[in-house]
Amino acid sequence: AQRVTQPEKLLSVFKGAPVELKCNYSYSGSPELFWYVQYSRQRLQLLLRHISRESIKGFTADLNKGETSFHLKKPFAQEEDSAMYYCALSEGMNTGFQKLVFGTGTRLLVSP
Amino acid sequence: NAGVTQTPKFQVLKTGQSMTLQCAQDMNHEYMSWYRQDPGMGLRLIHYSVGAGITDQGEVPNGYNVSRSTTEDFPLRLLSAAPSQTSVYFCASSQGTSYEQYFGPGTRLTVT
Repeated sequence: AQRVTQPEKLLSVFKGAPVELKCNYSYSGSPELFWYVQYSRQRLQLLLRHISRESIKGFTADLNKGETSFHLKKPFAQEEDSAMYYCALSEGMNTGFQKLVFGTGTRLLVSP
Repeated sequence: NAGVTQTPKFQVLKTGQSMTLQCAQDMNHEYMSWYRQDPGMGLRLIHYSVGAGITDQGEVPNGYNVSRSTTEDFPLRLLSAAPSQTSVYFCASSQGTSYEQYFGPGTRLTVT
């Protein structure tokens, strides 16, 4: 069965420190991996997906199929990065509805 | 555009009562879905729809009914509420040509 694991419930760092939010997955095929973010009093929204290989708000994530990981990284955390981050997986179909499997989320708290 | 809207924001039900959670989107998206989020767990897919008149079950469909008579609306019905259905419910929509799912603000449901 598909599963997404985010081992840290809370990650607390100081402004300017590097950040790495961990995500491991279990899936036998070729998954699509996503990071969704929920800022305070805002909706859950897509941050980035592995297929686009882009940097959003300074965040990057590399899919490591050997380690089945998709960790989210940012070299210098900002206070506005404080939010709840969810790693999600879909079956990677080229077309059709993407059934997302979510991890339990990691709350990132960036202190001044 | 309002995006994805959900009503109500909060609801308290007694065991055995029925109710409908409303979801609407104004982006002309093909796909719509319902997720529930429980403490310590990731979002889990309840039901989804790939177009008007077409629905299918997700990971946790028991106790819920859906229908999709229009592109815009995708209501979730609880026929006989149970305390196990206490959760936060999120509606989402997406377009077939894009991987991004757009989420509503959520409905917090408590069943006593």
